Amino acid sequence: AQTVTQSQPEMSVQEAETVTLSCTYDTSESDYYLFWYKQPPSRQMILVIRQEAYKQQNATENRFSVNFQKAAKSFSLKISDSQLGDAAMYFCAYRSPYNNNDMRFGAGTRLTVKP
Amino acid sequence: DGGITQSPKYLFRKEGQNVTLSCEQNLNHDAMYWYRQDPGQGLRLIYYSQIVNDFQKGDIAEGYSVSREKKESFPLTVTSAQKNPTAFYLCASTEDREPTNEKLFFGSGTQLSVL
Repeated sequence: AQTVTQSQPEMSVQEAETVTLSCTYDTSESDYYLFWYKQPPSRQMILVIRQEAYKQQNATENRFSVNFQKAAKSFSLKISDSQLGDAAMYFCAYRSPYNNNDMRFGAGTRLTVKP
Repeated sequence: DGGITQSPKYLFRKEGQNVTLSCEQNLNHDAMYWYRQDPGQGLRLIYYSQIVNDFQKGDIAEGYSVSREKKESFPLTVTSAQKNPTAFYLCASTEDREPTNEKLFFGSGTQLSVL
């Protein structure tokens, strides 16, 4: 089974600075989908960004971008110009195209933003 | 506005009691899911349903039951057989019966605690 590892339980960043959250995964599949979800204190899960493994170009969404390294099985999230509202738990997730209901989540990284 | 509504927000269970968590969506999504979130862990799949009157077990289905009598509704019952039910429960849905890169839409969750 695929596993997703987030090695940073907690991270902190100064407001307006840049921070990178790490995610690695283990899979034998060549095609798959990767996601970053944000869970603020309200506990509502919000999709931040997604990446299809067959696309070499890294996905970007405004201040959020990813560094997708397929060979290294790495999928890090970069948050630029950090804002107080970015403070949340961030979860990396993997979805297999062969088992559409198999979405695997990492344990999460708690991001603190310092004013 | 379309979305997923979970109720109640907080729920307390006595020993030996069954409790039911509600999940309703007005997004016209076919597929619905129940996840369990424990502190320091990612989300784990309990049950999922791709169509009315059909559902499948996820990774941690023991001690739980579901029904899917209507497209909009996917209630989760935590039975007395679930010995460690204290957790945050999230309901989610997606547009297609076989979602690929489509994101999961999440409800706001139910925190279940044992008295």
